[in-house]
Amino acid sequence: AQSVTQLGSHVSVSEGALVLLRCNYSSSVPPYLFWYVQYPNQGLQLLLKYTSAATLVKGINGFEAEFKKSETSFHLTKPSAHMSDAAEYFCAVSEASGGYNKLIFGAGTRLAVHP
Amino acid sequence: DTEVTQTPKHLVMGMTNKKSLKCEQHMGHRAMYWYKQKAKKPPELMFVYSYEKLSINESVPSRFSPECPNSSLLNLHLHALQPEDSALYLCASSQDARGGATGEQYFGPGTRLTVT
Repeated sequence: AQSVTQLGSHVSVSEGALVLLRCNYSSSVPPYLFWYVQYPNQGLQLLLKYTSAATLVKGINGFEAEFKKSETSFHLTKPSAHMSDAAEYFCAVSEASGGYNKLIFGAGTRLAVHP
Repeated sequence: DTEVTQTPKHLVMGMTNKKSLKCEQHMGHRAMYWYKQKAKKPPELMFVYSYEKLSINESVPSRFSPECPNSSLLNLHLHALQPEDSALYLCASSQDARGGATGEQYFGPGTRLTVT
């Protein structure tokens, strides 16, 4: 079975600092991987996805992630944090079955950004 | 357009009430999902519909009853809920996993349900 581990349930950075959110996956087949962001009392918004086309994936809001097969990792980064980046971030792997996909989520990482 | 809409945004109901949550998408997706999300936790899958047929029921209590009237609509009927059912209920949709789709799901804004 596939699984996702997010290291660090809480990450705190200063505005303008590098953001690094960690995600490791377990999958027996080449995975489809995703990062979602959730702002308070809202749904999940897709930040970016890895689909094997390129190992460095750029997403919305200046975020990017690098797929490293040897490390089974898909860490999310942003060079310079903004106050508006404060949110909950979920890493997920897709498990296809017939006409639908199950998403296996990590536990989530809450990002706090301080002035 | 990657929008999934959900109504109502907030719902307060007593334990003897019957209510329904509604979800709609117009992206032509043939898979639709219901999730329950408690505070500080990832979404938990409840039901999956594929081509309007129920494909997954993750052992959800019968007080939750899903319905997929057509390919764009998904309902969740609620009856005799318990206070522990209070949560954010999220709807999502995705393309058919076959034929090269990459599996991302598009989420609605959710319904905040409080059971009193």
